[in-house]
Amino acid sequence: DQQVKQNSPSLSVQEGRISILNCDYTNSMFDYFLWYKKYPAEGPTFLISISSIKDKNEDGRFTVFLNKSAKHLSLHIVPSQPGDSAVYFCAASEGTRSRGGYQKVTFGTGTKLQVIP
Amino acid sequence: DAGITQSPRHKVTETGTPVTLRCHQTENHRYMYWYRQDPGHGLRLIHYSYGVKDTDKGEVSDGYSVSRSKTEDFLLTLESATSSQTSVYFCAISESMGKETQYFGPGTRLLVL
Repeated sequence: DQQVKQNSPSLSVQEGRISILNCDYTNSMFDYFLWYKKYPAEGPTFLISISSIKDKNEDGRFTVFLNKSAKHLSLHIVPSQPGDSAVYFCAASEGTRSRGGYQKVTFGTGTKLQVIP
Repeated sequence: DAGITQSPRHKVTETGTPVTLRCHQTENHRYMYWYRQDPGHGLRLIHYSYGVKDTDKGEVSDGYSVSRSKTEDFLLTLESATSSQTSVYFCAISESMGKETQYFGPGTRLLVL
């Protein structure tokens, strides 16, 4: 059961335009959401996050929107640049804690973004 | 960049052989994690550690064991490798309880023939 879904495996966007990456979730216990970016042959790197008490968080060209009622979040990249070409993972964290205080993080399957010069 | 290294970076092994992957951090972070990445599944947690000698299972722990004898090192062992364990393995670290942001190592590509 995939609790975090990224239904678009890939996306192509022209340089300078907006890239919109979408993510849906099913677990109402998720209270913190993150986006990670991954280049080939490298590990994922943290990009931006949002708490469930907010509906928007902005960091430079990157904005994450959260719609709790729809259980949907999106990442907007404006303007898109060729260096943004990568795989983007959506992730969600539950409020409940496991042993040692760990809060489980569930990752989506990723969306491969290609920004065309 | 967080100081995380993984060794080896690439490995080819045969079914039934034991394999150990190493993760080393220089950040003194409490939490360490092992994930595997497979097409169609994203990143799935294998095991995690919340301190020296303190570990717990993740969602895909069968066939894997871990050990953490020092803060900086987290070892993942495949006791008897199977072809289904062919994957890319990522180590990650995080600073403290409640800090959900994780910093990932460069990955180990494992092929089990």
